[in-house]
Amino acid sequence: NAGVTQTPKFQVLKTGQSMTLQCAQDMNHNSMYWYRQDPGMGLRLIYYSASEGTTDKGEVPNGYNVSRLNKREFSLRLESAAPSQTSVYFCASSEGPAAYYGYTFGSGTRLTVV
Amino acid sequence: GENVGLHLPTLSVQEGDNSIINCAYSNSASDYFIWYKQESGKGPQFIIDIRSNMDKRQGQRVTVLLNKTVKHLSLQIAATQPGDSAVYFCAENANNDMRFGAGTRLTVKP
Repeated sequence: NAGVTQTPKFQVLKTGQSMTLQCAQDMNHNSMYWYRQDPGMGLRLIYYSASEGTTDKGEVPNGYNVSRLNKREFSLRLESAAPSQTSVYFCASSEGPAAYYGYTFGSGTRLTVV
Repeated sequence: GENVGLHLPTLSVQEGDNSIINCAYSNSASDYFIWYKQESGKGPQFIIDIRSNMDKRQGQRVTVLLNKTVKHLSLQIAATQPGDSAVYFCAENANNDMRFGAGTRLTVKP
């Protein structure tokens, strides 16, 4: 069981470059999420997809876009990277609403913007 | 939630001792709580959860206690082992909005 798979694991970007972080889950989960984790802070929600075909903004969506490509895949795009987007990004999935289910997390993408 | 800042609270325990990690949550409407473990360079891993209609739940070597009166959650780890060394953080859910604490770094001394 792979669970939640994220690629790439590490990335260095120059300011202004764009990139897409990929996430796929093989648990047939309905909901998927993108979080960022900064030193000394709790995970902060960027975007989520409650079900295939829907996406919604989270707490810190500015500078990001997402695509729920199908039930398995949920990608995060940085159109014009900024140093403030240096962070560790985690994708997560759950069977359903956060009120009832815990999340399964991927192993993260460590992004540095210089 | 928990302390927010550059430095996480730390807890250092001797191998074999019991560990207690605390979390003060912020929203009185929160009705579902989860503890996660995060090892260095890895993603968070689900440990145990509890709903607001309970005040205690036990798993294998772990116990979660919930005190809704003072909005406090704790994770107890019995017979702590070196493999338990990690950052532990709590999450609270209210109205399908899951919020995460910054965490406590647990170090187990052999």
